[in-house]
Amino acid sequence: GDSVTQMEGPVTLSEEAFLTINCTYTATGYPSLFWYVQYPGEGLQLLLKATKADDKGSNKGFEATYRKETTSFHLEKGSVQVSDSAVYFCALRALHQAGTALIFGKGTTLSVSS
Amino acid sequence: EPEVTQTPSHQVTQMGQEVILRCVPISNHLYFYWYRQILGQKVEFLVSFYNNEISEKSEIFDDQFSVERPDGSNFTLKIRSTKLEDSAMYFCASSEASYPGYTFGSGTRLTVV
Repeated sequence: GDSVTQMEGPVTLSEEAFLTINCTYTATGYPSLFWYVQYPGEGLQLLLKATKADDKGSNKGFEATYRKETTSFHLEKGSVQVSDSAVYFCALRALHQAGTALIFGKGTTLSVSS
Repeated sequence: EPEVTQTPSHQVTQMGQEVILRCVPISNHLYFYWYRQILGQKVEFLVSFYNNEISEKSEIFDDQFSVERPDGSNFTLKIRSTKLEDSAMYFCASSEASYPGYTFGSGTRLTVV
């Protein structure tokens, strides 16, 4: 079945460091890909998305490119801040319609220190 | 910004008891969902609900689970006879008809003792 694999955490960085969180997926067809973020005590928030190959999603300085050839959707940020400390989830949705389930990775905890 | 509201934030229940988790989706949303996350594991899809019926459910969503939209604002998840392995964070989400449009609530942490 469809699945998402993320790098294990926690990831610990100093402020202004470069961030990469790896995500690869297995799916039939052409899924849509997402990154969600969960700040402490809050719900899951959509960070960015990409719906077709070579699309780049971006938001708040974060970027991820949908790479069909490597079935990857790695999250990157050039300079992290303490406020970026959170859990990051990679997810896919196989069908392009509302009501279809999201399939999540296990999540990667990012901790940024000043 | 509109929010999905879940209550309670934390619930402790005894094994074998029934529990109802409550959610208030965003008012103009049409699709409703429940997900759960067992500590340290993946966020897993349980069920989606549209037009007063279940549109999709996972293998996890067996006969001990049920969902209901009892009025125009609430969306509930009932677990009939809780087991220790039901201990998890339960997330409610809602979306408009347009894709992807998911908004998640903050979750209810259910602890079964």
